[in-house]
Amino acid sequence: AQSVSQHNHHVILSEAASLELGCNYSYGGTVNLFWYVQYPGQHLQLLLKYFSGDPLVKGIKGFEAEFIKSKFSFNLRKPSVQWSDTAEYFCAVNAPYTDKLIFGTGTRLQVFP
Amino acid sequence: GAVVSQHPSRVICKSGTSVKIECRSLDFQATTMFWYRQFPKQSLMLMATSNEGSKATYEQGVEKDKFLINHASLTLSTLTVTSAHPEDSSFYICSAAPIGGELFFGEGSRLTVL
Repeated sequence: AQSVSQHNHHVILSEAASLELGCNYSYGGTVNLFWYVQYPGQHLQLLLKYFSGDPLVKGIKGFEAEFIKSKFSFNLRKPSVQWSDTAEYFCAVNAPYTDKLIFGTGTRLQVFP
Repeated sequence: GAVVSQHPSRVICKSGTSVKIECRSLDFQATTMFWYRQFPKQSLMLMATSNEGSKATYEQGVEKDKFLINHASLTLSTLTVTSAHPEDSSFYICSAAPIGGELFFGEGSRLTVL
């Protein structure tokens, strides 16, 4: 069965610090990978996704993620975080041709001014 | 862009009663919708896949008779929590995607069972 692991449960940063959130998945076949963000009081929004092609994916709001197949990883990065990036971040995976997503446990990011 | 809407956003009910939560795709048709449950400070757990015109597909460990799902039209799926108990208190989220499109999530419905 597919599973997703996010090792950072709670990350606290100051503004302008760099961010990297880890995501590892367990699935032997081809997968689609996603990062979602949930701002306080809001619904989940898609940050970025990887289906195929360039393993370095650019998303909204300056986020990017790199798919490393050999490590089964899809880490999220941002060079300089802002206070408005405070949110919960979820990594997710699904097999091709299905919309059924399996989510990681989430990482709560707090950014202080 | 495509929008998925849930109603109600918050509901409080007494133990033993049933509660219905609606999930609507506002500007697209969805033959499939997904229902998730999110516990505080935890991830979203897929409960079931709602299929228009046929029975829902439940994930392992999810009680079919407890969480009734009806997908009566291409834009509406409902989740009914029957004989609710305090342990059913949670945040329920639905999602749907246009054919070949991105998956969108509803705002979520917070259920509190007293």
